[in-house]
Amino acid sequence: DGGITQSPKYLFRKEGQNVTLSCEQNLNHDAMYWYRQDPGQGLRLIYYSQIVNDFQKGDIAEGYSVSREKKESFPLTVTSAQKNPTAFYLCATGHPWDTEAFFGQGTRLTVV
Amino acid sequence: DAKTTQPPSMDCAEGRAANLPCNHSTISGNEYVYWYRQIHSQGPQYIIHGLKNNETNEMASLIITEDRKSSTLILPHATLRDTAVYYCIVRDRGAGNNRKLIWGLGTSLAVNP
Repeated sequence: DGGITQSPKYLFRKEGQNVTLSCEQNLNHDAMYWYRQDPGQGLRLIYYSQIVNDFQKGDIAEGYSVSREKKESFPLTVTSAQKNPTAFYLCATGHPWDTEAFFGQGTRLTVV
Repeated sequence: DAKTTQPPSMDCAEGRAANLPCNHSTISGNEYVYWYRQIHSQGPQYIIHGLKNNETNEMASLIITEDRKSSTLILPHATLRDTAVYYCIVRDRGAGNNRKLIWGLGTSLAVNP
């Protein structure tokens, strides 16, 4: 199937541990994005990448890190520096200068 | 901050048209209006977008006022599966822009049997 795969769907971690969320796409899109959503809120941009080996901070990048070594993959690491990591994380893809964004089904991270 | 204003919630009877309004009074000439929806605990789904002409696809119609300061998303025959939060977003399509989507709180549409 073509699309965006985020795994796992649910993730639990202890406070103080780093955790990496996976996002893989086979849509051949250049741009990839990570958003965070809190209950009853809209999406907020964490990081985005418009091309392999390049990425930029979004509005709430503190406590997060990313890499873009392959076009198909854009993993997000939630570090122990993120003060409130429990949230719903969404990965999206698109072309930098055209078309709409396509979203994965999200990963719900709970830190206890 | 989001550049759009939407009512927080709306109800619609199954089989009737759902008309979801959006105000974007500060929209600039280079900005398009996009609509997405998000069913509970899923990723947002693209619905439709437009610049100044009305648009229609298999999911919905988008009516944009002549002054482009507001728009209406129309679901012509709402079903229970259309129950979701609907987001109206303005987005610059110019080259060189990072093409951020700035998300507001959207409209929670409840389709009732």
